Amino acid sequence: AQTVTQSQPEMSVQEAETVTLSCTYDTSESDYYLFWYKQPPSRQMILVIRQEAYKQQNATENRFSVNFQKAAKSFSLKISDSQLGDAAMYFCAYRNRFNFGNEKLTFGTGTRLTIIP
Amino acid sequence: GAGVSQSPRYKVAKRGQDVALRCDPISGHVSLFWYQQALGQGPEFLTYFQNEAQLDKSGLPSDRFFAERPEGSVSTLKIQRTQQEDSAVYLCASSLGLGRSRYNEQFFGPGTRLTVL
Repeated sequence: AQTVTQSQPEMSVQEAETVTLSCTYDTSESDYYLFWYKQPPSRQMILVIRQEAYKQQNATENRFSVNFQKAAKSFSLKISDSQLGDAAMYFCAYRNRFNFGNEKLTFGTGTRLTIIP
Repeated sequence: GAGVSQSPRYKVAKRGQDVALRCDPISGHVSLFWYQQALGQGPEFLTYFQNEAQLDKSGLPSDRFFAERPEGSVSTLKIQRTQQEDSAVYLCASSLGLGRSRYNEQFFGPGTRLTVL
């Protein structure tokens, strides 16, 4: 079974600064996706960024980028130029790429990010 | 509608009562997922439908939990004889389905917060 671990229950960052959220995972599979989701107080889970395991290039989406280390099974999220609207719970998630009939996401326990004005 | 909707948003039940939680997925989405999110935790997989077929129910915690999607669209999660440990946010997600989009991204609803007294 796959597991996802987020070891930072809470993080804070000054507005406009950069913060990195950590995630490690464990799997015996070779082809999978990794995701970072944002969950604001409204509870709506929003996809921030995705990474395909077979791609060595790290994914980027505007101010969000990842550092994907496949051998170390590490997948951290970097948020640059932090904004007040970035305050939320952030969840790291894993999904097998081709397991037909088993598309479920496995989530970590989350990191609460606070932005300090 | 434009997104996944869930109703009710909040539900309070007395221990022993039966509850039914509804999920309206995005029109045309083949895959539908239910997740349970306990306070301060990440979502955990409950069950998965492909159209009307329930392909994976390995995450349902007990036989008191039952889910259906009879016409391959709207889904209902039913919990019989609710217990205090059932208190959680129940999230529904839908996706186009494997082979129909590159990433088969899951789109989440706002969740139903269930409190069992």
